[in-house]
Amino acid sequence: RKEVEQDPGPFNVPEGATVAFNCTYSNSASQSFFWYRQDCRKEPKLLMSVYSSGNEDGRFTAQLNRASQYISLLIRDSKLSDSATYLCVVSRSTDKLIFGTGTRLQVFP
Amino acid sequence: DGGITQSPKYLFRKEGQNVTLSCEQNLNHDAMYWYRQDPGQGLRLIYYSQIVNDFQKGDIAEGYSVSREKKESFPLTVTSAQKNPTAFYLCASSMTSRRTTDTQYFGPGTRLTVL
Repeated sequence: RKEVEQDPGPFNVPEGATVAFNCTYSNSASQSFFWYRQDCRKEPKLLMSVYSSGNEDGRFTAQLNRASQYISLLIRDSKLSDSATYLCVVSRSTDKLIFGTGTRLQVFP
Repeated sequence: DGGITQSPKYLFRKEGQNVTLSCEQNLNHDAMYWYRQDPGQGLRLIYYSQIVNDFQKGDIAEGYSVSREKKESFPLTVTSAQKNPTAFYLCASSMTSRRTTDTQYFGPGTRLTVL
């Protein structure tokens, strides 16, 4: 079983739609959680950290469920520019991160 | 401009040759990391360093070597012993508190192709 699992997609949604991605992790000792965004053939960039109480940044909302060991990312009012691969990232220890393989999102007009 | 730079952007190598990928950061970060990314796979950790003159193997260190002589620089050498070196190589850095996992920031990457 992979340490971090994501649905690879692609999720094809129209502009303005709301879309949600889930990610499960296997290490119950994980303490830090992130969502990164990666555009085609580019480096990953931090989208947002995920906090226990859940957090929001504009159109993006992240949730953490420690009991079930999953995190989620909700994108409201999708824009064409949101098209990218979204990487779920979980800490293995204080100095190591484990990256999921990513979920691809394609927003169409 | 603060950030992480990697060079070259594209690199072609013949089988049997060693090649060194450059990574420099001016963010004053303590920790630096090397990952490789293959199609359909997540990033995999090759080596990491939390402090100058010290580094540790990641999950896939075989066939690679690193050095950390300066805080700003963490070059990666891909040796001829690496069986499948063609990949996208990403360097990252982070502050390190040793208590929590800090955000990692990535350079633009180097695409290595072995001919």
